[in-house]
Amino acid sequence: EAQVTQNPRYLITVTGKKLTVTCSQNMNHEYMSWYRQDPGLGLRQIYYSMNVEVTDKGDVPEGYKVSRKEKRNFPLILESPSPNQTSLYFCASSPWTGGDTGELFFGEGSRLTVL
Amino acid sequence: QKEVEQDPGPLSVPEGAIVSLNCTYSNSAFQYFMWYRQYSRKGPELLMYTYSSGNKEDGRFTAQVDKSSKYISLFIRDSQPSDSATYLCAIRTGGFKTIFGAGTRLFVKA
Repeated sequence: EAQVTQNPRYLITVTGKKLTVTCSQNMNHEYMSWYRQDPGLGLRQIYYSMNVEVTDKGDVPEGYKVSRKEKRNFPLILESPSPNQTSLYFCASSPWTGGDTGELFFGEGSRLTVL
Repeated sequence: QKEVEQDPGPLSVPEGAIVSLNCTYSNSAFQYFMWYRQYSRKGPELLMYTYSSGNKEDGRFTAQVDKSSKYISLFIRDSQPSDSATYLCAIRTGGFKTIFGAGTRLFVKA
């Protein structure tokens, strides 16, 4: 089954304790991206990657890191989480070739609470 | 000014009603317009997309883009309880980026 898999789905942590949210897709998509979803603000892009070893900042990258060492994986790293990073996080991938809508395929989300 | 504005609702309608969901956007250069549907505790899924102006119909759903007024709409005819979800408008901007509206929560009561 074609899918984007995120883990963990739910996490409660404390300020300053490093954590990683993993993301893996099995559709051989070039493009991958991380979003956070907050009430009233919608989905905001954190980082994206056009291909292996190619990453770039989105609209809200502060406090986050990413890496793309393999095509299928795109982990999101919070080096020192703070309470304002409490949010619902989505990983997405796309076969985007540049000449179309760039349909995004989303994972089921990871709800993170930072105390 | 936000690039995409969407009323978050919630919007509650009886079963069978016609639903109108709307967004406005700021940049007249945008060309690809999409609607994603998000069920509770799930990720968004692409529902419909429209290129440039005009209408597109798919079953009970119609997507409409009015570029002159920078207004995009999604109409749902004969709404069903299974249509209860959050609907997000989305626009592909220049380059490889998609921006999203805040999402409108829709409840269809049986």
